[in-house]
Amino acid sequence: SYELTQPPSVSVSPGQTARITCSADALPKQYAYWYQQKPGQAPVLMIYKDSERPSGIPERFSGSSSGTTVTLTISGVQAEDEADYYCQSADSSGTSFGTGTKVTVL
Amino acid sequence: EVQLVGSGGGLVQPGGSLRLSCAVSGFTFSSYPMNWVRQAPGKGLEWVSAISSSGGSTYYADSVKGRFTISRDNSKKMLYLQMNSLRAEDTAVYYCAKRRDAVATMGALDIWGQGTMVTVSS
Repeated sequence: SYELTQPPSVSVSPGQTARITCSADALPKQYAYWYQQKPGQAPVLMIYKDSERPSGIPERFSGSSSGTTVTLTISGVQAEDEADYYCQSADSSGTSFGTGTKVTVL
Repeated sequence: EVQLVGSGGGLVQPGGSLRLSCAVSGFTFSSYPMNWVRQAPGKGLEWVSAISSSGGSTYYADSVKGRFTISRDNSKKMLYLQMNSLRAEDTAVYYCAKRRDAVATMGALDIWGQGTMVTVSS
């Protein structure tokens, strides 16, 4: 396993764009995934394989990758997007989650 | 409807044992690898263990290796986590989670159970 580093918090006004980064040396070789978790609820898969969006996930959520950093972008943030977000990556022997980012909608 | 229902959590003394179960419905359980992920109170997600679709391959985080055992019964559509030699730092909500793809054991987890709380305390 390896460490995936995320900023502890991101604050954004409604309608603006939030960007959450996740970095680790191993990322260029492995896909990254993103989860949203609201208080008292189980995580929800938002992005897989760096940039693919599961069915039912709003188009305002997108993922990208550049070098050793992957980014989750929330365009046109809504109040309901306030939550914790975790990146994840995996290799053949294990999985690691990022440190988590709390997104606050001002 | 795809559903994972975890159970078996509770209060246990340090050094004790507990077995978590996860009942599955709504998809072909035997085709998909499964994982356990935990979350200590107020903390982030921590991967615990994974098992291949057949049960023939298992994987563990270093923090639980040698103490926890993951298993599955495909005929009963059940996933298990046997936890021995429990420590205070094992206190967490434990989630069972389904792999999105049937191809590889590690990767995106698309369906999660509601979580079951394990408290290790004297």
